[in-house]
Amino acid sequence: DAGVIQSPRHEVTEMGQEVTLRCKPISGHNSLFWYRQTMMRGLELLIYFNNNVPIDDSGMPEDRFSAKMPNASFSTLKIQPSEPRDSAVYFCASSLNRGQDEQYFGPGTRLTVT
Amino acid sequence: GEDVEQSLFLSVREGDSSVINCTYTDSSSTYLYWYKQEPGAGLQLLTYIFSNMDMKQDQRLTVLLNKKDKHLSLRIADTQTGDSAIYFCAEISFSGGYNKLIFGAGTRLAVHP
Repeated sequence: DAGVIQSPRHEVTEMGQEVTLRCKPISGHNSLFWYRQTMMRGLELLIYFNNNVPIDDSGMPEDRFSAKMPNASFSTLKIQPSEPRDSAVYFCASSLNRGQDEQYFGPGTRLTVT
Repeated sequence: GEDVEQSLFLSVREGDSSVINCTYTDSSSTYLYWYKQEPGAGLQLLTYIFSNMDMKQDQRLTVLLNKKDKHLSLRIADTQTGDSAIYFCAEISFSGGYNKLIFGAGTRLAVHP
């Protein structure tokens, strides 16, 4: 398996623009997580899906952030409108079973909002 | 509440042992984990320990767990330059009907010649 795939790897955009980050989890994994990593806040869990259903979105910072998982092999994290403080590395991770198994992380998307 | 704390930096000489420490709060955590993040990459599971164990050894890695003090440590023997990375301690917390990993802020290990 290729592991968790994220795209794009780098994104530079201007404040106010819409940003969409994409994730393909490992085939057969039924849990998917979106994290954000910054120097100031460390690694934050944004949202968790189980069997394509959002279970916990309490980490989503604001209404500008939204996430979807239309099927078992694809998820998106959207920021609209983006702001400079959204600049961070966004990781997607997947695991086999309700988060108690090893989480496999993608390489991350480095987002810069100017 | 849930919290995992680690020191932020550790610098060691190549060939020496490294010890990274972590404290956690959830005494019901069934597993405790160490993840490694290399530059420009995502986190990767390095090792884990079940809560009923005191120690786990895996080649150069030794994990020690003190449940009474809620203290976890990772010892890397014969540290190499390739071990330079950020090491995250994580506990499992059962919340909202599912298990959630709570990560520490990460310890940046720098290995110098």
